[in-house]
Amino acid sequence: DTGVSQNPRHKITKRGQNVTFRCDPISEHNRLYWYRQTLGQGPEFLTYFQNEAQLEKSRLLSDRFSAERPKGSFSTLEIQRTEQGDSAMYLCASSPLYGPEQFFGPGTRLTVL
Amino acid sequence: AQTVTQSQPEMSVQEAETVTLSCTYDTSESDYYLFWYKQPPSRQMILVIRQEAYKQQNATENRFSVNFQKAAKSFSLKISDSQLGDAAMYFCAYHPSGTYKYIFGTGTRLKVLA
Repeated sequence: DTGVSQNPRHKITKRGQNVTFRCDPISEHNRLYWYRQTLGQGPEFLTYFQNEAQLEKSRLLSDRFSAERPKGSFSTLEIQRTEQGDSAMYLCASSPLYGPEQFFGPGTRLTVL
Repeated sequence: AQTVTQSQPEMSVQEAETVTLSCTYDTSESDYYLFWYKQPPSRQMILVIRQEAYKQQNATENRFSVNFQKAAKSFSLKISDSQLGDAAMYFCAYHPSGTYKYIFGTGTRLKVLA
């Protein structure tokens, strides 16, 4: 299966710890997106990469959040000094440069205790 | 501001019956896409159907069809012959052409009753 993959699928951490999530997009997709989804809500946009360039960041992405996509391949999302409010599902999606459809990964569910 | 509204937090349908999920959106753009995505419990989101705004004909994919009313900014999803496997959260999404932006509604949880 060459779909979008995310690791880990679940992460439980204590408040104040740092966590890092990984997303492997579909190999030929230039665009990569991170979303946050809280219970009962739709995905909310966090950030967008076109190849290795991070072109847009949402105001939801505080200074404690950082995302990278070295060499335009996989991407990582790091949250420093986690807070209970960071508990959510973090979704990654990718899409080709041309074409409107996004393909989603299974998500990483973060629980901050 | 561009927004997507799904006013039905939860819907139920009897197996083999038809159900319609509602979605309205607000935009001043003329060129955009609309999508319905399905998110089964603990599984990843998958595309159900998409509609290009410039197309007058409503999109259809097997048992799934949409009623796209551009002037009313309405985009409803009809599921015919509902199956147990259709039970999921359904999200309506808006995407202006030529941008990276996708805006999702809050979702409708569909229950299918045997």
